[in-house]
Amino acid sequence: AQSVTQLDSQVPVFEEAPVELRCNYSSSVSVYLFWYVQYPNQGLQLLLKYLSGSTLVKSINGFEAEFNKSQTSFHLRKPSVHISDTAEYFCAVSPSGGYQKVTFGTGTKLQVIP
Amino acid sequence: EADIYQTPRYLVIGTGKKITLECSQTMGHDKMYWYQQDPGMELHLIHYSYGVNSTEKGDLSSESTVSRIRTEHFPLTLESARPSHTSQYLCASSESGGTSITQYFGPGTRLTVL
Repeated sequence: AQSVTQLDSQVPVFEEAPVELRCNYSSSVSVYLFWYVQYPNQGLQLLLKYLSGSTLVKSINGFEAEFNKSQTSFHLRKPSVHISDTAEYFCAVSPSGGYQKVTFGTGTKLQVIP
Repeated sequence: EADIYQTPRYLVIGTGKKITLECSQTMGHDKMYWYQQDPGMELHLIHYSYGVNSTEKGDLSSESTVSRIRTEHFPLTLESARPSHTSQYLCASSESGGTSITQYFGPGTRLTVL
């Protein structure tokens, strides 16, 4: 079984400031890791994912996350946020290799303040 | 952009009514899922399907049922709605294959049972 912990339910940050959304996971096997974003009144969209290879993965809109196996973390970062980044962000984990169930965290609401 | 649709987007009904939440995808994905999403909680998988005529219950016990008669269609039915069924229901799909586990989500149906 696996689990995901997102300790911060809400993160307010001023526009153009950096942000880090924390995600820790627990699993007895190797994993795939994901960040999904949910804008108001919409479904979730994949932001970025780690499957294998480089531990640093990036999205097209400036977010990045680093897989840290020793700390079992996959924190999401952006050096300078925009108003349009206001959304809820979900970390997710799945055992690697073949289809396996994806477990989602409870989400972190990022509020960008003008 | 993902082509997965859910109708209705919002539904308010009285206790005891039978309802069907529709989900359709045009991507030809074999795998489809239903999640229940409540504020501050992780997404809970309530049903999934690996293909036509294949349905399984997820982690969260649900009084709803699903069917998968066509690849593109995965409706969820509540025979007798109750206030405890009030929630947001998200439908998702993904391709088959070991690493193709990115899930594409619909916009959700927000159900309120009075």
